[in-house]
Amino acid sequence: GDSVTQMEGPVTLSEEAFLTINCTYTATGYPSLFWYVQYPGEGLQLLLKATKADDKGSNKGFEATYRKETTSFHLEKGSVQVSDSAVYFCALSRGSGGGADGLTFGKGTHLIIQP
Amino acid sequence: EPEVTQTPSHQVTQMGQEVILRCVPISNHLYFYWYRQILGQKVEFLVSFYNNEISEKSEIFDDQFSVERPDGSNFTLKIRSTKLEDSAMYFCASSENGGGVTEAFFGQGTRLTVV
Repeated sequence: GDSVTQMEGPVTLSEEAFLTINCTYTATGYPSLFWYVQYPGEGLQLLLKATKADDKGSNKGFEATYRKETTSFHLEKGSVQVSDSAVYFCALSRGSGGGADGLTFGKGTHLIIQP
Repeated sequence: EPEVTQTPSHQVTQMGQEVILRCVPISNHLYFYWYRQILGQKVEFLVSFYNNEISEKSEIFDDQFSVERPDGSNFTLKIRSTKLEDSAMYFCASSENGGGVTEAFFGQGTRLTVV
């Protein structure tokens, strides 16, 4: 079946550091890929998505590129801020909109940014 | 901004007791979902619901679980006889369309602790 593997946390960085959170997936066919973020006390929010190979999703300075050859969708940001502290979830779906049908999630990575 | 709200934020219950988790989806959304995350594990799909019936469910969603939309605003998840392994964070989500076409919005979660 489908599965998503992402790096274990917590990941602790200093403000303005470069961020990479690794995510790889296993799936048949061509799923859509997503990053969700959960800020403290809030629900899961769609951060960005990519629906086909070589697509790059971007939002709030975060980027991720759908790499079919390496089955990866790593999340990156050039300069993190304290406000980026949250839990980040990588996910895949057969749908392209980020809707919750058939979403397969990773375990989540807790990101802590220190001033 | 519209949001999905879940109550309570934390529920403690004794093993064998019935528990009802409540969700108020976004008002114009038609598709509703429950997911759960056992501590340290992945977020797992439980069930999707549309037009007053279950449209998809996972193998986790056995006879102990049921969902209901008792009125025009609430969407509930009932666990009839809780087990220790039901302890998890339960997330409700809603979307305007199904099939992953439009973005799903998640609630902040209900942490269920079975003792």
